[in-house]
Amino acid sequence: AQSVTQPDIHITVSEGASLELRCNYSYGATPYLFWYVQSPGQGLQLLLKYFSGDTLVQGIKGFEAEFKRSQSSFNLRKPSVHWSDAAEYFCAVGDGSLKYGNKLVFGAGTILRVKS
Amino acid sequence: DADVTQTPRNRITKTGKRIMLECSQTKGHDRMYWYRQDPGLGLRLIYYSFDVKDINKGEISDGYSVSRQAQAKFSLSLESAIPNQTALYFCATSPPRGSGANVLTFGAGSRLTVL
Repeated sequence: AQSVTQPDIHITVSEGASLELRCNYSYGATPYLFWYVQSPGQGLQLLLKYFSGDTLVQGIKGFEAEFKRSQSSFNLRKPSVHWSDAAEYFCAVGDGSLKYGNKLVFGAGTILRVKS
Repeated sequence: DADVTQTPRNRITKTGKRIMLECSQTKGHDRMYWYRQDPGLGLRLIYYSFDVKDINKGEISDGYSVSRQAQAKFSLSLESAIPNQTALYFCATSPPRGSGANVLTFGAGSRLTVL
């Protein structure tokens, strides 16, 4: 069964600084990988996804993530953080089984705080 | 209006009460899901449904039941609520085929507190 580890529960960065959120997954085949963001009081919004092809994927709000098969990682990055990026971020892995639908497995989340 | 609507958004109830959380969607998606979010645990799948006649248990279905009343409606019930079911519950949908089948659209969540 697949699993996802987000090693950092909380991260605090200064506004304008770069950001990297870590995600490691466990899955036997080629995974479908996702990053979602949850702002306070809101549902989850898809930031970006990786299915195949180019291992560097671009998402919304200036975020990008890089799939590294050798490290089983899918880290999320942003070159310059804005105060509005403060939220909780979830990495997720799907089994890619289109017949059985997408039973996403989520990491525990990383809470991002942005200081001015 | 939101693509995926959950009601109620907040509910406080007592141990032993029956609770229903409702979800409706305008996405036209066949697949619907109920997840539970707990701090430090991320989201865990409770039940999922691929169409009105296809309902499946997720990893934490004990103590919960669901009803798929129509393609657009998927309800989660707690027959006898207990305090450890206090959590934030999310409904989600996805299209049935292609790579989009792996992309979930979430509702805003229903916060349930069981006293």
